Amino acid sequence: DGGITQSPKYLFRKEGQNVTLSCEQNLNHDAMYWYRQDPGQGLRLIYYSQIVNDFQKGDIAEGYSVSREKKESFPLTVTSAQKNPTAFYLCASSRGSSGNTIYFGEGSWLTVV
Amino acid sequence: AQSVSQHNHHVILSEAASLELGCNYSYGGTVNLFWYVQYPGQHLQLLLKYFSGDPLVKGIKGFEAEFIKSKFSFNLRKPSVQWSDTAEYFCAVNGPEDFGNEKLTFGTGTRLTIIP
Repeated sequence: DGGITQSPKYLFRKEGQNVTLSCEQNLNHDAMYWYRQDPGQGLRLIYYSQIVNDFQKGDIAEGYSVSREKKESFPLTVTSAQKNPTAFYLCASSRGSSGNTIYFGEGSWLTVV
Repeated sequence: AQSVSQHNHHVILSEAASLELGCNYSYGGTVNLFWYVQYPGQHLQLLLKYFSGDPLVKGIKGFEAEFIKSKFSFNLRKPSVQWSDTAEYFCAVNGPEDFGNEKLTFGTGTRLTIIP
């Protein structure tokens, strides 16, 4: 089955703890992305990576970190510095040059209590 | 900074009604335009896209959208909606600031509820 796999689907954490969301793709895509979805705010870009070992901040990168050590993997860490981490997180990927479609995973719900 | 506006936050229609959802973006130059749909409990999926050529593009499930460059708009339409069209719809743009990559700027979304 080809696609983008995010895990876990649901995650609860205590305030002050870091948490890492996993994203794996087997589409052989070069580019990967993390978006955050909040009600009434649409999707906002956190980080993106166009190639292995390189990534750029998106519009709301503060309080988040990423790594891109392998082409197929792009984990997102939500740190304790993120002021409002409870949200729905979407991972996506695309071929990466220009003019291609972005495909999305099923998302991860993070609740911080 | 580039931005995308979807002015309809929640639209409620009866089955068989016609649908038009608005989408406007804030910048000139070459743009790639997308509509994504998120059905309840499902992941975000592509409905249709415009890169170049005919400004009227057709997508899946009977949806279409028209790119009007002079109005910076890319409105989504469907002549007759079905209950199964109940979902959240997102307009997205890959604009001049994104040259060389495919990252998207999204609108805030429109929740569509179809009443049987």
